[in-house]
Amino acid sequence: EIVLTQSPGTLSLSPGERATLSCRASQSISTSYLAWYQQKRGQAPRLLIHGASTRATGIPDRFSGSGSGTDFTLTISRLEPEDFAVYYCQQYHYSPPTFGPGTKVDIK
Amino acid sequence: EVQLVESGGGLVQPGGSLRLSCAASGFTFSSYWMSWVRQSPGKGLEWVANIKSDGSEEQYVDSVKGRFTISRDNAKNSLFVQMNSLRAEDTAVYYCARIPIPSGSGHFDNWGQGTLVTVSS
Repeated sequence: EIVLTQSPGTLSLSPGERATLSCRASQSISTSYLAWYQQKRGQAPRLLIHGASTRATGIPDRFSGSGSGTDFTLTISRLEPEDFAVYYCQQYHYSPPTFGPGTKVDIK
Repeated sequence: EVQLVESGGGLVQPGGSLRLSCAASGFTFSSYWMSWVRQSPGKGLEWVANIKSDGSEEQYVDSVKGRFTISRDNAKNSLFVQMNSLRAEDTAVYYCARIPIPSGSGHFDNWGQGTLVTVSS
C-alpha cells in the first residue's frame, strides 16, 4: 500500500498570502494519478486537482498543482477567506487508492 | 447538476449489520464506476469499495473484505453497501463518490454529503 505523507500538518497564514502544501509518496507514482481535495468543516471533500496539475471544473486558477515521482505540491497563490480548510492528496496509481492525512490551512 | 445523497446510517452494536444507500441524479449513473469512501477521526479518509458501471466487478479494501458487499441498481440510479459483522473501527462517515475514469482507477469527482455509522454497545 502506498503511504502518502503531507506537510506541514498545519499552515497558519493570512488572507492574501501564498500557501504551499506538500505531499510525498512512499514510492514513485505517475503524475496522472495524483489528486488534491479540499474539505471544509462538516462538508464532504471537494475535488480540486487531478492528474497532479489539472484543475477540476469550476476551481479558481489561484489553485495549482505540480510535482512528479514521489513529491507533489499544491499551491494557493493568494488565499481567500473561503480557502481556509483541510487539504488532502490522494494517489490512484496503485490499488488500494490511498489518501494523505491532510494539511489544515488556518487563519493566522 | 450531479447529486449523490446517502442514507441508512445510524447506531449499531458490534457484530451487527447495516445497509447504506446512495441515490444518484444529474448524470448517467450506469456509465460510471462508483465508490464508498469513509472518514473517521482516527484514520482520516479511507477508500472502502468500488463497483464497475455494470456491476460486474467489485473491489474492496482488505479490512472490509468478506464483511462488506457493494452493489448497485442502475434502473433505480442507486448504490448500496451491505455491512455485516460491524466493528468499532468501522465507525465513520460514509461517503458515496463517483469515479470519472472508465478503468475504475481514478480520483473521485463528486461526493455525497455522507452518512454517519456508529458501531458501539
